Amino acid sequence: EVQLVESGGGLVEPGGSLRLSCSVSGFTVSSNYMSWVRQAPGKGLEWVSVVYSGGGPYYADSVKGRFTISRDNSENTLSLQMNSLRPEDTAVYYCARGPHSSSWKGFDYWGQGTLVTVSS
Amino acid sequence: EKVMTQSPATLTVSSGERATLSCRASQNVNSNLAWYQQKPGQAPRLLIYGASTRATGIPARFSGSGSGTEFTLTISSLQSEDFAVYYCQQYNDWPLTFGGGTKVEIK
Repeated sequence: EVQLVESGGGLVEPGGSLRLSCSVSGFTVSSNYMSWVRQAPGKGLEWVSVVYSGGGPYYADSVKGRFTISRDNSENTLSLQMNSLRPEDTAVYYCARGPHSSSWKGFDYWGQGTLVTVSS
Repeated sequence: EKVMTQSPATLTVSSGERATLSCRASQNVNSNLAWYQQKPGQAPRLLIYGASTRATGIPARFSGSGSGTEFTLTISSLQSEDFAVYYCQQYNDWPLTFGGGTKVEIK
């Protein structure tokens, strides 16, 4: 069974840092494109970053230079280091497999999300 | 960046009726277009990829069409569990981009 479980969310002050993790079971992160997607409260979906073998990583302009995506193949986990956080980074952060797994197909598996709140 | 525009923002329909949702890309995305369904408090669920291929386990009442810049998601006969927000997303180029969503609500 495929499972993606995010952790690490919470309340942080503007300018602060937070590290999100996504523990994956049922497939190997090293063999797939892995992304972070976020959703501000009451708003739509926003792709944040992707990591994959042979290229990338890529970032949305809104987080470039502040966020760093990485993966630990031995632990089969995905991470997102978030620095210089801003109130507009407040969102539920989802990890997701994609947009490529066996083929280009968008995001076919998602975690349940972890809430990041940036506020003083 | 490719901008994805969905219309309408809200679609009010009755159970059993047909629903047609539109998604327009600001530039050509070929058939690299996916549709997702999201219910309150849940993660999105992949419905359609490659503009017209149903994902695993998705009922046949969901269908997708289009290529290039114009895309459509059709739900042939709405069931109670289909009332949700639907998003389109292009994966033709980085950065990946989503549409703003269409909320399908009960009439």
